[in-house]
Amino acid sequence: QVQLVQSGAEVKKPGSSVKVSCKASGGTFTTYDITWVRQAPGQGLEWMGRIIPTVDTTNYAQKFQGRVAFTADKSTSTAYMELSRLRSEDTAVYYCARGTLVISITGGTNYYFDSWGQGTLVTVSS
Amino acid sequence: QSVLTQPPSASGTPGQRVTISCSGSSSNIGSNTVNWYQQLPGTAPKLLIYSNNQRPSGVPDRFSGSKSGTSASLAISGLQSEDEADYYCAAWDDSLNGLYVFGTGTKVTVL
Repeated sequence: QVQLVQSGAEVKKPGSSVKVSCKASGGTFTTYDITWVRQAPGQGLEWMGRIIPTVDTTNYAQKFQGRVAFTADKSTSTAYMELSRLRSEDTAVYYCARGTLVISITGGTNYYFDSWGQGTLVTVSS
Repeated sequence: QSVLTQPPSASGTPGQRVTISCSGSSSNIGSNTVNWYQQLPGTAPKLLIYSNNQRPSGVPDRFSGSKSGTSASLAISGLQSEDEADYYCAAWDDSLNGLYVFGTGTKVTVL
């Protein structure tokens, strides 16, 4: 079972950027994708996008396009999420998770996250 | 914002059966499979059900999932105190705006 360990909490000023890391151990880093999900205080889960390390392909939720970038270092099995132009509404816990995507023979997509990092709290405050 | 709608809360006494609904559309639940996540207080989410009704190893068979049309349900039978948590449905979305969407979340309270 893959384990994901994220970097520690961050406090950032509005307008700055933050980069969160997610290191995988166990399993083969390149045989699955890494998805990023955030959760604002007292709120629900919000999908930000994913990266497929084998081909360095990314998909971003429309809401974050242009402001977020996912990268992956295959040599260290570490994925990164960088969010720029931070504002107070970006204060949240950011999670990475292992994504498994299966296209069924009858059609339809099944995409689920079976291992999660512990979360990284990013606080944006002046 | 979430495009899958869940009731904000559900409750039951120990041993009871609780059901949580998840309403979507043709571009998500209607076309793709549904997953459910459990989030205990102060912890990361955990995969509870995938592919509509499959349980990962280690998930008790008290948890079951189903899907019909553009809606899905999670049932917890024999409710236990440790089931008190937030539950989220989720699905791939074929529309341009989404790709993957979570439900609004349901807080389950064990009375």
